[in-house]
This record gives sequence, C-alpha cells and structure tokens, in this order.
Amino acid sequence: AQKITQTQPGMFVQEKEAVTLDCTYDTSDPSYGLFWYKQPSSGEMIFLIYQGSYDQQNATEGRYSLNFQKARKSANLVISASQLGDSAMYFCASILYNQGGKLIFGQGTELSVKP
Amino acid sequence: DSGVTQTPKHLITATGQRVTLRCSPRSGDLSVYWYQQSLDQGLQFLIQYYNGEERAKGNILERFSAQQFPDLHSELNLSSLELGDSALYFCASSPPGGPIGELFFGEGSRLTVL
Repeated sequence: AQKITQTQPGMFVQEKEAVTLDCTYDTSDPSYGLFWYKQPSSGEMIFLIYQGSYDQQNATEGRYSLNFQKARKSANLVISASQLGDSAMYFCASILYNQGGKLIFGQGTELSVKP
Repeated sequence: DSGVTQTPKHLITATGQRVTLRCSPRSGDLSVYWYQQSLDQGLQFLIQYYNGEERAKGNILERFSAQQFPDLHSELNLSSLELGDSALYFCASSPPGGPIGELFFGEGSRLTVL
C-alpha cells in the first residue's frame, strides 16, 4: 500500500530565504510518481512539480525543486527565495502507475512566510 | 482558474438527506477524479472516471456514488448524509498528455451537514 508521510505540520521561513518541506513515501512498487501540490487559504489545489521514479535528474519548476532520494524514499520540496504568496498548505502525493489514477496525499505542511 | 468547474460551491443540508455535486472537467480532459478533504481524514481519494468508465476506486462509502456522462461532466451523489460527511469535495481532471497524477482541481464544494 502507498503511504505518504509529512512530518512537519507547520513551518516558518523568512521572506527571500529557502525552505525545505519534507516528504517520505512507502512503496515497494518500482513504477511510481511523486507530486507536490499547494493549497492557499482560498482552498484550491495547485499542481507544483512532478518526479517520476525512473527520472535520473531532480525535477525543477522555477523556484521549486524536488530533492528526490530514491534509496531513502524521500521527495522533499525545496522552495527558493520564499515570497509572501508562498504561505499555504503544501501536500506531497504519490501514485502507483499499475493502480491507475489513485493519487495518495500526505497530511500536509503549513508554510508561513514572514516578511 | 484551473478550468475545472464545480457546483455548488457551498451546500448546507441536514442528516439523512441526499445531495448531488457536479463537476465539469477542463476542455479536452477525459479523466475526472473526486476527492474528499476533511480535518480528520485529510485528502482522501474517492473515485476516478476515464471517458465514462470507472478507472480506480478509493475509500468511497457505499452511500456515495458517482458517474461520468457522455459529455464528460461528472456527478457525485451523497445519500443518507451523516455529520461526518461534512467536508470539502474536490473534483479534478487530468490532461491526456501529462504525467498521470498531474491534476487540475476545481475550487471544491463545501458540504455542511447539520
């Protein structure tokens, strides 16, 4: 079974600094995808970044990068140069490709960016 | 704006009642997903449809049912409602060319059961 663990319920970061949000996953399946989503206070879920289990390079999307350590089963999100608008809930998620579209989410980390 | 439309945005009803939540996916997206978000359970996958057919099923209660119509819109029916069904219900769709799991979410339907 898939399980996503986010151990940081809440985090603070100073504006313009970098922050790492932790995520570990638990699957023995070799083919999977890892995702990060952002949920601002307005409620909508926004896709940020994706990493496939066979990807050799860490994924990057603008200020977001995913630190993928396969042996440790971790997929941490790094946000560089934090902005006030980054304050939100962040969810790590995984999908097993042999189980269709069942995307499983972690409990989330609430990030607060301080001016 | 993700392009996924959900109605209604807010719904207040009583225990024992039945409600229908509606979702229109983004133009061109064939897959529709339903998720439930509550404080105690977090984000729970309910069900996925692809081009009208059920593709994957999660922790969906027997009191809940869903379907995807030929025009690709989807409805989630919740019946015999209980207080614990109060939650934010998200619909999402995914583009055919993107990685499976890249979802575009609607703004959600907030259901309150009194």
